[in-house]
Amino acid sequence: EIVLTQSPVTLSLSPGERATLSCRASQSVSNSLAWYQHKPGQAPRLLIYDASNRATGIPARFSGSGSGTDFTLTISSLEPEDFAVYYCQQRNTWPRLTFGGGTKVEIK
Amino acid sequence: EVQLVESGGGLIQPGGSLRLSCAASGFTVSSHYMTWVRQAPGKGLEWVSAIYSATRTSYSDSVKGRFTISRDHSKNTLYLQMNNLTAEDTAGYHCATLTATGVGDSWGQGTLVIVSS
Repeated sequence: EIVLTQSPVTLSLSPGERATLSCRASQSVSNSLAWYQHKPGQAPRLLIYDASNRATGIPARFSGSGSGTDFTLTISSLEPEDFAVYYCQQRNTWPRLTFGGGTKVEIK
Repeated sequence: EVQLVESGGGLIQPGGSLRLSCAASGFTVSSHYMTWVRQAPGKGLEWVSAIYSATRTSYSDSVKGRFTISRDHSKNTLYLQMNNLTAEDTAGYHCATLTATGVGDSWGQGTLVIVSS
């Protein structure tokens, strides 16, 4: 089973700051990695697929990079609505999927 | 517009059974890959099950043999039959559409299942 480890667990930042979130896979997943945003009581939202492709309607301040085992989600300048929990998910073992443990981006 | 609305959650005793529903609109459930994902209190997202092609299904090790995913074309609804529930199954359950390569592109808000005596 592929394990995804996200770091840090919590990121405390102010609006306007840059957020850099990491996702590390226990073995290579090629570029088969997605990122989601999740707010309490809401539906998760797809941000990035195939490591670096923004989903429809996602603002350009969100970007993804990486391949193999190391991936990064960057939010270039945090907006108030960006404070949430972010998850990475690998599909390299489709039809079995795996999520990372999540990174909470909170207001400093 | 794609919309997914989950229902069927509630309080259930250990060992009991529950069936979750995910009513879809804006697309046809039977022609899409679909998945269930859960989130236990204070924990992260956990993939549960997926249905793909006409009849093929997959399950996480933690639910295999106890949960069954299915869909009803006439009701345009996805289901998750959950049997022999334990406290570890307590979670909010979300349904989602999947691309053909396993990316969750539309999600519902979830329904809460609490397994407790």
